[in-house]
Amino acid sequence: GAVVSQHPSRVICKSGTSVKIECRSLDFQATTMFWYRQFPKQSLMLMATSNEGSKATYEQGVEKDKFLINHASLTLSTLTVTSAHPEDSSFYICSAHTRMNTEAFFGQGTRLTVV
Amino acid sequence: AQSVTQPDIHITVSEGASLELRCNYSYGATPYLFWYVQSPGQGLQLLLKYFSGDTLVQGIKGFEAEFKRSQSSFNLRKPSVHWSDAAEYFCAVGGMDSSYKLIFGSGTRLLVRP
Repeated sequence: GAVVSQHPSRVICKSGTSVKIECRSLDFQATTMFWYRQFPKQSLMLMATSNEGSKATYEQGVEKDKFLINHASLTLSTLTVTSAHPEDSSFYICSAHTRMNTEAFFGQGTRLTVV
Repeated sequence: AQSVTQPDIHITVSEGASLELRCNYSYGATPYLFWYVQSPGQGLQLLLKYFSGDTLVQGIKGFEAEFKRSQSSFNLRKPSVHWSDAAEYFCAVGGMDSSYKLIFGSGTRLLVRP
């Protein structure tokens, strides 16, 4: 199957700083990328849908100014957690989708810890 | 409202025993159904998917699932569980009408007794 690479896999940052997470589709062009958040021992909650070249669509309750999403190319989407706080600590997972295939391919996730 | 229910939070089976993980969904249009497996601290791996056609779907690692429209269910089965199957399993529903956004169930943690 197609490969989606997410970087970094783990990051620890200080409260008040910003963190950028990258999601790359390595061998296909992703028309759409999705960003999910997963709390410990819980399910994945969709945060936003990112289409190449356009603004991301955020789910209800997700702060768009806090979670900045950029989908600058067909192979790269980034999630920036701005002014991070301990409550933003979580596991963030991206997935990439192409119109040619109804399946979404997931990255390996990023464990964010804000101290 | 669109939703996925996995009624079992934990399931423990003995190695070699059969397994069935339950999944019920609520979706307004033709659903695309998925089962994913997640090992601790890892991303999600697709086990199998159903879009249309044969309602019994075969996946990787010996898993299969059956789509039952009348029951709005998509239960995952495996005839003989291996210790390496211990993980978290997520059922998900999506569709073309929702731009392929996936709605996940709460997950079922599978524990395997030696």
